[in-house]
Amino acid sequence: LAKTTQPISMDSYEGQEVNITCSHNNIATNDYITWYQQFPSQGPRFIIQGYKTKVTNEVASLFIPADRKSSTLSLPRVSLSDTAVYYCLVGENTGGFKTIFGAGTRLFVKA
Amino acid sequence: DTAVSQTPKYLVTQMGNDKSIKCEQNLGHDTMYWYKQDSKKFLKIMFSYNNKELIINETVPNRFSPKSPDKAHLNLHINSLELGDSAVYFCASSLMGGGDEQFFGPGTRLTVL
Repeated sequence: LAKTTQPISMDSYEGQEVNITCSHNNIATNDYITWYQQFPSQGPRFIIQGYKTKVTNEVASLFIPADRKSSTLSLPRVSLSDTAVYYCLVGENTGGFKTIFGAGTRLFVKA
Repeated sequence: DTAVSQTPKYLVTQMGNDKSIKCEQNLGHDTMYWYKQDSKKFLKIMFSYNNKELIINETVPNRFSPKSPDKAHLNLHINSLELGDSAVYFCASSLMGGGDEQFFGPGTRLTVL
């Protein structure tokens, strides 16, 4: 099972770009990389998912190098409301059911 | 309109009691999950159900038993509650499994006294 490692916490200021890197050295061929966001007292919410190279949506970008042993979630121009815990998740997307959440990265956005 | 709902939102009980938490999803998903989030905020999967079949049991004590009467429901029953069971329990669902986007419920905060 591919486990993930993320920084415990990060600080940023409003308007800055934030990059959170996740290590997943044992990622399997069929594994996808997914990021979730969790606010206090709420369940996690899907942000973005990718397999390799780069994925971008209206919320974030996900950069995945060729070896796929890590991935970087990029949040452009963060605001105070982006203060949350961000989880990196690695799991199969082709019928397997083993997914593991990492410990998460607590992002603090300051004014 | 709620995609994944859980009841109750808060549950306070004494050690040794038996309790259940209910979960329902109206998304037509095939897979449902239960997660436990402890005081340190680690999110750990407990169970995964696909089409009424248990797929994952992540070494959870057998005091915990998931029950799925149909594809839209996955209830969590806990016997002989212990202090260490205090946590927030999240239900989630996904179209299939694995890396599919999971939709989480609002959570149930369980406090064992």
